[in-house]
Amino acid sequence: EVHLVESGGDLVQPGRSLRLSCVASGFSFDDYAMHWVRQGPGKGLEWVSGINWDSGSVGYADSVKGRFTISRDNAKNSLFLQLSDLRPEDTGLYFCVKDSGAYHYYSGRFLDSWGPGTLVTV
Amino acid sequence: QSVLTQPPSVSGAPGQRVIISCSGRSSNIGTNTVNWYQHLPGAAPKALIYSNDQRPSGVPDRFSGSKSGTSASLAISGLQSEDEADYYCAGWDDSLNGDVFGTGTKVTVL
Repeated sequence: EVHLVESGGDLVQPGRSLRLSCVASGFSFDDYAMHWVRQGPGKGLEWVSGINWDSGSVGYADSVKGRFTISRDNAKNSLFLQLSDLRPEDTGLYFCVKDSGAYHYYSGRFLDSWGPGTLVTV
Repeated sequence: QSVLTQPPSVSGAPGQRVIISCSGRSSNIGTNTVNWYQHLPGAAPKALIYSNDQRPSGVPDRFSGSKSGTSASLAISGLQSEDEADYYCAGWDDSLNGDVFGTGTKVTVL
């Protein structure tokens, strides 16, 4: 069974930084692309960032481009999101999400497993 | 700001059929496949439909998806109280070079 556990969420001041982590288990982590998706208070789901199985390609939503950095450590079955220059609109629950395929950027794939999320408050 | 538009809410009595629409553009739904996610209160979102009309293992066949042009739909037949949740369409957008989600639809069972 796929298991994703996020951590690192906190209350921070605007302009500060934060690092989110996600530890995965129950599948071959280095075979799949991974993503971060967030949900602001009273808002819908918003895709934040995705990364290929081998870190060879990454993508970001325009709202976070240049401020957030996604990375992964396949040896430790871990996904990360470095959040910088945080703004009040970045407040929300951040989900670690497993892709159905190895690449984050093609049609025909979907987000097949989600963690419970970690809360970021700016 | 979402590029996929859904109705804010739909409702139906137990046993009825409801349909949720998702309107996009040529760069997303018009070119790429559509997925649907169910988000129950207090739980992590769950994949409901992928590649327009495919159900992941364990999803009841009461849920079905379709796509035509730049629009997609999710139908829920035999509505049950446990179907009360928020539902989101999603997919890849060639212009934005990223995944996009719909605005979300809250389903209420009367």
